[in-house]
Amino acid sequence: AQKITQTQPGMFVQEKEAVTLDCTYDTSDQSYGLFWYKQPSSGEMIFLIYQGSYDEQNATEGRYSLNFQKARKSANLVISASQLGDSAMYFCAIPKGTGAGSYQLTFGKGTKLSVIP
Amino acid sequence: AAGVIQSPRHLIKEKRETATLKCYPIPRHDTVYWYQQGPGQDPQFLISFYEKMQSDKGSIPDRFSAQQFSDYHSELNMSSLELGDSALYFCASSLVLDYGYTFGSGTRLTVV
Repeated sequence: AQKITQTQPGMFVQEKEAVTLDCTYDTSDQSYGLFWYKQPSSGEMIFLIYQGSYDEQNATEGRYSLNFQKARKSANLVISASQLGDSAMYFCAIPKGTGAGSYQLTFGKGTKLSVIP
Repeated sequence: AAGVIQSPRHLIKEKRETATLKCYPIPRHDTVYWYQQGPGQDPQFLISFYEKMQSDKGSIPDRFSAQQFSDYHSELNMSSLELGDSALYFCASSLVLDYGYTFGSGTRLTVV
């Protein structure tokens, strides 16, 4: 079974500073991927970044980057130059192929990030 | 770019009533997923459809049913609602063999 562990229930960061949100995972799949999503207080689930297990480089998307360490089974999200609008809940998730073309996501418990002005 | 559309955004129902949630996936996405997120919880997978056929089932109560229609939109039907069904319900869509996984804005269901 897939498992995601996010050990930081809450974090604070000063505006314009960088912050790292931790995510470790457990999977028996040889090939897999990892997602990060942002959920602001309004509730929507916003895709941030995806990392494939066989990607040679760490994924980056604007101010978001992944520190992917396959041997340690960790995929930490780095947000650079934090902005007030980054205050939200952040979820790490791993997909499990269930056959018939669908993938079930298993989420971690999330990290609530608060950006301080 | 087109996103996943869910309706309604908010829904208030009484216990034992029935609710129907709708989801319109991104055009050409052929897989639709439903998730339930309780207050302070992470989203839990309920059910998925690939090409209008049920492809996987998670922790979905027997009181809930879902289907995907010929135009690829999906509906989640919930009967005999209980207070514990109060949650945020997400629909997501993806392409086969594509790890892109886009969520709608969710339907917030409150059972009173």
